Amino acid sequence: DTAVSQTPKYLVTQMGNDKSIKCEQNLGHDTMYWYKQDSKKFLKIMFSYNNKELIINETVPNRFSPKSPDKAHLNLHINSLELGDSAVYFCASSPEMQPDTEAFFGQGTRLTVV
Amino acid sequence: GQQVMQIPQYQHVQEGEDFTTYCNSSTTLSNIQWYKQRPGGHPVFLIQLVKSGEVKKQKRLTFQFGEAKKNSSLHITATQTTDVGTYFCADPTGGGNKLTFGTGTQLKVEL
Repeated sequence: DTAVSQTPKYLVTQMGNDKSIKCEQNLGHDTMYWYKQDSKKFLKIMFSYNNKELIINETVPNRFSPKSPDKAHLNLHINSLELGDSAVYFCASSPEMQPDTEAFFGQGTRLTVV
Repeated sequence: GQQVMQIPQYQHVQEGEDFTTYCNSSTTLSNIQWYKQRPGGHPVFLIQLVKSGEVKKQKRLTFQFGEAKKNSSLHITATQTTDVGTYFCADPTGGGNKLTFGTGTQLKVEL
């Protein structure tokens, strides 16, 4: 069973389109995240949610809108896609909002904007 | 803001050689975590260090936390092709339990 699953794994789309990435975790965790990894492998937090509530919005453009219908799901919707949005997006979860718990990552969604 | 730098950015080694990646933070860390990301894969947790000067081993991997808790290292003895990937240190103590990742070291192991 996949602990943190994202769909789709690959997404190729044209500039200006709107797209969504879905994430689900079956670990019973309270906290979920979105991270962005660029072409140089830099990994950066975008959002974190705890029990469906937004905790962190790391100065992400408001074209990006996360939605958490319940604590097991955290989806990411992106409006008006730009070339610079091309990256790998990782969903992750952790059991508690404490600094001694590991994060579990999904397999990533490779977004290519053309 | 806080920065977590890793050196080197890339490392090519022959199988059997040792490898070390160094992680340096601009601020004092409470804990530090290490993750491995295989090519095309996702980050996977390796270990967490908490105490000043702590050393932990996992088979051929040795992790160290500096005395001042501003740096850490990962040493791999006698690398194997299965060690290929990008190794990240990460500070787990940012607000909201976010991970602040280091810049990563990409390791390639050649036969």
